Amino acid sequence: DQQVKQNSPSLSVQEGRISILNCDYTNSMFDYFLWYKKYPAEGPTFLISISSIKDKNEDGRFTVFLNKSAKHLSLHIVPSQPGDSAVYFCAASGPTSGSRLTFGEGTQLTVNP
Amino acid sequence: NAGVTQTPKFRILKIGQSMTLQCTQDMNHNYMYWYRQDPGMGLKLIYYSVGAGITDKGEVPNGYNVSRSTTEDFPLRLELAAPSQTSVYFCASRSSGREETQYFGPGTRLLVL
Repeated sequence: DQQVKQNSPSLSVQEGRISILNCDYTNSMFDYFLWYKKYPAEGPTFLISISSIKDKNEDGRFTVFLNKSAKHLSLHIVPSQPGDSAVYFCAASGPTSGSRLTFGEGTQLTVNP
Repeated sequence: NAGVTQTPKFRILKIGQSMTLQCTQDMNHNYMYWYRQDPGMGLKLIYYSVGAGITDKGEVPNGYNVSRSTTEDFPLRLELAAPSQTSVYFCASRSSGREETQYFGPGTRLLVL
């Protein structure tokens, strides 16, 4: 039962263009969502989060959008840079999750110079 | 401030051998987690702890054991290594509060032959 799904294993974009990474969830109890970024041979690092009371959160080049009715969130990176090339994981938690996060499978983003 | 440290970085085990993966954090975090990441898969929670002396199972606990005798340390024990335990293992920690970010260590790559 995959409660958080990232349906695109990979995404390739040109430098300077927008990258859009998508994530879908099935558990309607999830109310807090995060994006993590992972470089090879390193641990994931936190990128941006959003609470279900919002539909958008922005931090510099990174914006996360949440559509609760569709149980869908997306991460927009504008403009994309070669250093953004990494695996991006979305994660979710809810009041019944306790202190646990449920992760998606990840999307490998490649930004071409 | 080293954050979350993990040792070893890489290990090869023979089937049936035992080992302990070490995890230490210096941020005085109450919550600590062990995840495994298999190729093309997201992070799966093995065990977690909400404080010294308290541990609980995650999604995939079979074949593993943990202990939490101090706030700083959260070792993961493999008693009888199996090829299915070949994976990359990440330790994470966070402070109290449901929307607090998890901080990850650099990972331990384990190969069981």
